[in-house]
Amino acid sequence: KAGVTQTPRYLIKTRGQQVTLSCSPISGHRSVSWYQQTPGQGLQFLFEYFSETQRNKGNFPGRFSGRQFSNSRSEMNVSTLELGDSALYLCASSLPSGGTTGELFFGEGSRLTVL
Amino acid sequence: GQQLNQSPQSMFIQEGEDVSMNCTSSSIFNTWLWYKQDPGEGPVLLIALYKAGELTSNGRLTAQFGITRKDSFLNISASIPSDVGIYFCAGQPGGGSNYKLTFGKGTLLTVNP
Repeated sequence: KAGVTQTPRYLIKTRGQQVTLSCSPISGHRSVSWYQQTPGQGLQFLFEYFSETQRNKGNFPGRFSGRQFSNSRSEMNVSTLELGDSALYLCASSLPSGGTTGELFFGEGSRLTVL
Repeated sequence: GQQLNQSPQSMFIQEGEDVSMNCTSSSIFNTWLWYKQDPGEGPVLLIALYKAGELTSNGRLTAQFGITRKDSFLNISASIPSDVGIYFCAGQPGGGSNYKLTFGKGTLLTVNP
């Protein structure tokens, strides 16, 4: 069974630009969550989608947005990039029932560097 | 917001030694989980705990869900070099926020062969 796939793995952007990250969940998983990981703040929850609906959102500014498609693939977008947005962005999928267990399966992440 | 205090921040041990790390929270969680992250990889789930007082093992790993639901610990017995990595605790609250995990800052484990 293929795992969670995130693209691109690495990218470099400059301040003010915008970026779109993509995530393909494990086949059959309908819930997709996004987390930001930085050395200072650790892993922080961005948002979670199930059946194309955002069910929960973390404490991030409106520049961070996401969406989920009918095939459960998800994208997140960060607009007007700031230096502090440099981080590893992790996508995770979970059980096909859309249940609320914490058994998340993470991708390898997209490492964003903002110059 | 909810915060998890994970300790220790780092550990340097000899191969074969046992390891213990823990997490405490100021608020209650309905689920406690332990993840391990290797360099360049995403976190991988090690153990999930769903009931207060629950003690669960996965090979050389043992974790417990504290009775107060505000803490959890992870033990690794007879450590081996491949145990090296960052270990994270995570808590999942109940109610309307049941779709997100709050993570501890991690414990960096180094095992000297």
